[in-house]
Amino acid sequence: NAGVMQNPRHLVRRRGQEARLRCSPMKGHSHVYWYRQLPEEGLKFMVYLQKENIIDESGMPKERFSAEFPKEGPSILRIQQVVRGDSAAYFCASSPPGAPATQYFGPGTRLTVL
Amino acid sequence: GQQLNQSPQSMFIQEGEDVSMNCTSSSIFNTWLWYKQEPGEGPVLLIALYKAGELTSNGRLTAQFGITRKDSFLNISASIPSDVGIYFCAGLSGSGGSNYKLTFGKGTLLTVNP
Repeated sequence: NAGVMQNPRHLVRRRGQEARLRCSPMKGHSHVYWYRQLPEEGLKFMVYLQKENIIDESGMPKERFSAEFPKEGPSILRIQQVVRGDSAAYFCASSPPGAPATQYFGPGTRLTVL
Repeated sequence: GQQLNQSPQSMFIQEGEDVSMNCTSSSIFNTWLWYKQEPGEGPVLLIALYKAGELTSNGRLTAQFGITRKDSFLNISASIPSDVGIYFCAGLSGSGGSNYKLTFGKGTLLTVNP
């Protein structure tokens, strides 16, 4: 049973470009969470999604960031017009329905903005 | 916002020694979790605590949920080199009667000298 998969593992963008980060949850998991980790910091909650629904996006910056979890396919975290401050590791986690405490994390995508 | 304070920030120990680290919060959490993160990877769940006062073990790891629900500690006995990594505490919270948002501490970096 494959774990949470994220791609790409490393992404380099120039300022002003768009970054798209993908997350495929574990089989049977319909809940997806995105977290951001800055160097030497803990992870910070960004958004919680279920299939086709955004449940809580209180941790997402109001501009340039968006997330989706379509009926088919992976969850996508999209960052438009990236700036240097967006450089971080972005982690996706998934959980089965009714068990949000058991969040399994992917390996992360390390975004570097030049 | 909610904050978790972990201490110590880092520890350097000899193989075979016992380790203790703790986490305090300004807010009450109904669930506490301890994660381990290795370089280039996502956090891996070690122990979950669901009840105030609960003491739970997982092999050489033991964690307790404080009575006030504002603190927790993690002990590692007889450390081995593969215990190296960053240990994060996290509290689970949410809204609308549903807990799903993990708030992480900044981590304790553990180095074990063989």
